[in-house]
Amino acid sequence: DIVMTQSPDSLAVSLGERATISCKSSQSVFYSPQNTNQLAWYQQKPGQPPKLLIYWASTRKSGIPDRFSGSGSGTDFTLTISSLQAEDVAVYYCQQYYNSQLTFGGGTKVEIK
Amino acid sequence: QVQLVQSGAEVKKPGASVKVSCKASAYSLITNGITWVRQAPGQGLEWMGWISPNNGNTHYAQKLQGRVTMTTDTSTDIAYMELRSLRSDDTGVYYCAGDGVSGSGPWNWFDPWGQGTLVTVSS
Repeated sequence: DIVMTQSPDSLAVSLGERATISCKSSQSVFYSPQNTNQLAWYQQKPGQPPKLLIYWASTRKSGIPDRFSGSGSGTDFTLTISSLQAEDVAVYYCQQYYNSQLTFGGGTKVEIK
Repeated sequence: QVQLVQSGAEVKKPGASVKVSCKASAYSLITNGITWVRQAPGQGLEWMGWISPNNGNTHYAQKLQGRVTMTTDTSTDIAYMELRSLRSDDTGVYYCAGDGVSGSGPWNWFDPWGQGTLVTVSS
């Protein structure tokens, strides 16, 4: 299975400041026939199901604020919240869909400093 | 509005089985597959498996092979996940989720998601 490792486990950021979350995969998730990275990001607030933010590593789902952005390729990926808002407090997960045994990262908890 | 609505909470004894349903609205199970994901209390997300639209082919997590069965009823747009031989570490919230894009098989992101069903396994 592809192991997805997120860091940090948690971070506290001041309102309006940038939050950066890392996700590393144990093998490349770049799918060359489609020229895409098979990686998604989700946001989960307490008591709620996960919510899709980004797929193909950097494509934002329609309706997701543009302060959320994804980047990276191969094995190293980043989710950036450019200006943290109070409603962004949540746990964020990455997920690979390159391998048919799909796997998630362990999650990163984002809080307000 | 696309929506997946799951059945209510369940309490089961060890060794029993549980069957969770996921009713799709404005979302056809003829053209879209369903994935099941679970989350133990205070823990992260675990992919359980996927069922294909149309023909009902399944693809399960290796650790759950032999204990899990996923089915769909395309006449009612309801998907089901049955887990057998329950253990205490099966306790958690179980989610159904739709294919991010049709036709990609299990190699997909997940959207939309059901609200979750709490399954508690306790003697």
